Amino acid sequence: QKEVEQNSGPLSVPEGAIASLNCTYSDRGSQSFFWYRQYSGKSPELIMSIYSNGDKEDGRFTAQLNKASQYVSLLIRDSQPSDSATYLCAVGRTSYDKVIFGPGTSLSVIP
Amino acid sequence: NAGVTQTPKFQVLKTGQSMTLQCAQDMNHNSMYWYRQDPGMGLRLIYYSASEGTTDKGEVPNGYNVSRLNKREFSLRLESAAPSQTSVYFCASKRQSYEQYFGPGTRLTVT
Repeated sequence: QKEVEQNSGPLSVPEGAIASLNCTYSDRGSQSFFWYRQYSGKSPELIMSIYSNGDKEDGRFTAQLNKASQYVSLLIRDSQPSDSATYLCAVGRTSYDKVIFGPGTSLSVIP
Repeated sequence: NAGVTQTPKFQVLKTGQSMTLQCAQDMNHNSMYWYRQDPGMGLRLIYYSASEGTTDKGEVPNGYNVSRLNKREFSLRLESAAPSQTSVYFCASKRQSYEQYFGPGTRLTVT
């Protein structure tokens, strides 16, 4: 079992729709959770970080964390063509400082 | 602030050659990381250093060595390059359990 898994893509949504990206992780001791966006040929850039159960909203982005189910998700509202990218879920254990990434989900927003 | 810098940006090696990828950060971060990224594979952790003087293996350490030269610098060495090491290599750094900051990447081809 991989440590961090994401829903397989590619995911296509029409412009203005909600895109839903999912991630599960295997280490119950995980304490920090991140969503990165990566455009082709570029470095990953942080979109959201979340550390506690529940929802965290930042503009059009909402991260949801459920530690009991070992599940973290990212919702993108009012999707724009500029949101087309690969989204990477990353999970860390504070005490050991290791950060593991999922394989990524490719998102295409169709105008 | 330059953030995280990596050299070189591109490199072509022949099988069996050696080389060192350099990474430096100017954000006074304790932790530094080396990842490789292959198409469809997300980021896979090669080695990380939680603090100056310590290094630990990640998911795919075979064929690589690292040196945490000081708090700023973390290098990755390929002793005898193989075609399977053709990849994009990213260095990252972070402070405690917060998000990682990535360098621009090194595109390595081994022929």
